Amino acid sequence: EVQLVQSGAEVKKPGESLKISCKGSGYSFTSYWIGWVRQMPGKGLEWMGTIYPGDSDTRYSPSFQGQVTISADESISTAYLQWSSLKASDIAMYYCARQGRGYSSGYSFDYWGQGTLVTVSS
Amino acid sequence: QSVLTQPPSASGTPGQRVTISCSGSSSNIGSNPVNWYQQLPGTAPKLLIYSNNQRPSGVPDRFSGSKSGTSASLAISGLQSEDEADYYCAAWDDSLNGPGVFGGGTKLTVL
Repeated sequence: EVQLVQSGAEVKKPGESLKISCKGSGYSFTSYWIGWVRQMPGKGLEWMGTIYPGDSDTRYSPSFQGQVTISADESISTAYLQWSSLKASDIAMYYCARQGRGYSSGYSFDYWGQGTLVTVSS
Repeated sequence: QSVLTQPPSASGTPGQRVTISCSGSSSNIGSNPVNWYQQLPGTAPKLLIYSNNQRPSGVPDRFSGSKSGTSASLAISGLQSEDEADYYCAAWDDSLNGPGVFGGGTKLTVL
């Protein structure tokens, strides 16, 4: 069974760093792109970026380039999303999702993690 | 402002058929498959339609998708109360060199 399990909710102060995780199981972790999606409170989904764990090829959406870092450790089948200095505007639910392979999949996100809620407050 | 444009809301009564539109451009919908996601309140999104009109295993055939040019639509027939959710379209965007884009989402209310 394919599963993506994300790390738990975080409460941080402005300016602090943070790294959240997404552990895949039940499939070949290195063979599928993993995407990160932001959902701010009461708002829609935003595609932040994607990584291919097999070679760490990473692509960022323009809005998130330079704001976050996406990485992966194939040895433990885990993808990461990290911030070096959090801001209040980073308050959101963050989802990881596996991207289907090939054009026939529509490059769709076929499996999703449960989400990690990040709260930033002084 | 989202790259893909959806109406913010839609509604229907049980048993009705409703459609949700998604408008994009030549770099996304015009040249790539469209996917649709359903997000029930308080839960993670779920893949509903992939590659324009394909349903993943377990998705009822009441849900269907179509695409024409730079627009796509999601149709829900035989509307049920449990269909009340947010619906998002998404597509790969060739101008971004990798990540895709989502629509702003449509909140469906079952009256």
